[in-house]
Amino acid sequence: GNSVTQMEGPVTLSEEAFLTINCTYTATGYPSLFWYVQYPGEGLQLLLKATKADDKGSNKGFEATYRKETTSFHLEKGSVQVSDSAVYFCALVMGNRDDKIIFGKGTRLHILP
Amino acid sequence: DGGITQSPKYLFRKEGQNVTLSCEQNLNHDAMYWYRQDPGQGLRLIYYSQIVNDFQKGDIAEGYSVSREKKESFPLTVTSAQKNPTAFYLCASSDRGLSNQPQHFGDGTRLSIL
Repeated sequence: GNSVTQMEGPVTLSEEAFLTINCTYTATGYPSLFWYVQYPGEGLQLLLKATKADDKGSNKGFEATYRKETTSFHLEKGSVQVSDSAVYFCALVMGNRDDKIIFGKGTRLHILP
Repeated sequence: DGGITQSPKYLFRKEGQNVTLSCEQNLNHDAMYWYRQDPGQGLRLIYYSQIVNDFQKGDIAEGYSVSREKKESFPLTVTSAQKNPTAFYLCASSDRGLSNQPQHFGDGTRLSIL
């Protein structure tokens, strides 16, 4: 079946460091891919998305490129801030409207000042 | 502003008691979902509804019940049969009229046992 695998956390970085959170997927077709962010005590917020191969989603300095050849959607940011500390979820949904969204297990990110 | 409202933010349950978590959306979305999140864990799907008056079990439906009498509302009841209900509960919705759409989430309800 379809699935999402993301790197285990926690990931701890210093402020202004470069961030990569790996995400790979398994799908029988061509899914849309998403990154969500969850700040402490809150729900999930959509961070960025990509709907087809080679698309690049971007928002708030974060980027991720839909790589069909490697079935990956890695999240990157050039210079992280303390306010980026949160849990990040990679997710996919297939084109069939009846399909549910499939989430990875989440990666906790700690940014040290 | 359109969005999803969950209430209450914090809820306490006594042994043997049923409690109901509210979820209301004004996004005109057809589909609504309930997830459970345990500390340090990902999201697990409890129930989902793709249209009014219809719903399906997710991966961990035992001990929970839902109803979908209105498009805007999808309340979740945690019954006394759920022996480990302490968790963070998230409600979400999505627009089934468009494919490949993300889900929108509420701010969650944290349920604890007294």
